Amino acid sequence: DGGITQSPKYLFRKEGQNVTLSCEQNLNHDAMYWYRQDPGQGLRLIYYSQIVNDFQKGDIAEGYSVSREKKESFPLTVTSAQKNPTAFYLCASSGPTGEALNTEAFFGQGTRLTVV
Amino acid sequence: AQSVTQLDSQVPVFEEAPVELRCNYSSSVSVYLFWYVQYPNQGLQLLLKYLSGSTLVKGINGFEAEFNKSQTSFHLRKPSVHISDTAEYFCAVTYNPHQGGKLIFGQGTELSVKP
Repeated sequence: DGGITQSPKYLFRKEGQNVTLSCEQNLNHDAMYWYRQDPGQGLRLIYYSQIVNDFQKGDIAEGYSVSREKKESFPLTVTSAQKNPTAFYLCASSGPTGEALNTEAFFGQGTRLTVV
Repeated sequence: AQSVTQLDSQVPVFEEAPVELRCNYSSSVSVYLFWYVQYPNQGLQLLLKYLSGSTLVKGINGFEAEFNKSQTSFHLRKPSVHISDTAEYFCAVTYNPHQGGKLIFGQGTELSVKP
């Protein structure tokens, strides 16, 4: 089945550590996205990538980093510079970019990150 | 800045009653509108979308929404809800048809269906 796989489902981080969240898709989508979800705030865009080897900052990129070395993969690193990393993180994809309208995002099941 | 406002953070309703979840967006330029549903500790599932054409859009699970350009609204409705509709619902908008995943989300509405 085609879809988006996020791992792990739950992740615990100690203060000062970097952690990496995995996102893989087999939908042949060009674009991939990372969102952060906090209670009562909806989802906010962290980073997005339209093509391999290119990505742009979203609204809340500080303290996060990404890479896009393969079309299928878009890992997110939460660095120690992120002051409040406890949240639910969702990865999404859409595309292919060549279509006039690729207006639908497909979401993974999320990773819940907790700082301990 | 462009924004999406969901007017109710929580909506309690009895089973088999009708429900409306309200959504307003800030800009009147060309928009593409979505409603997503999220069950606890899961990702988002698309309920329906408005891209163009008929302003009444039908989605999955018996939901429908009406695009009103003059009022910049996209309210979600269901004539008769079930217990299984209990979830959080998000309204979202994109202004770029080539970036379907670059969405601006509302704060979410928790729908609680009681027996």
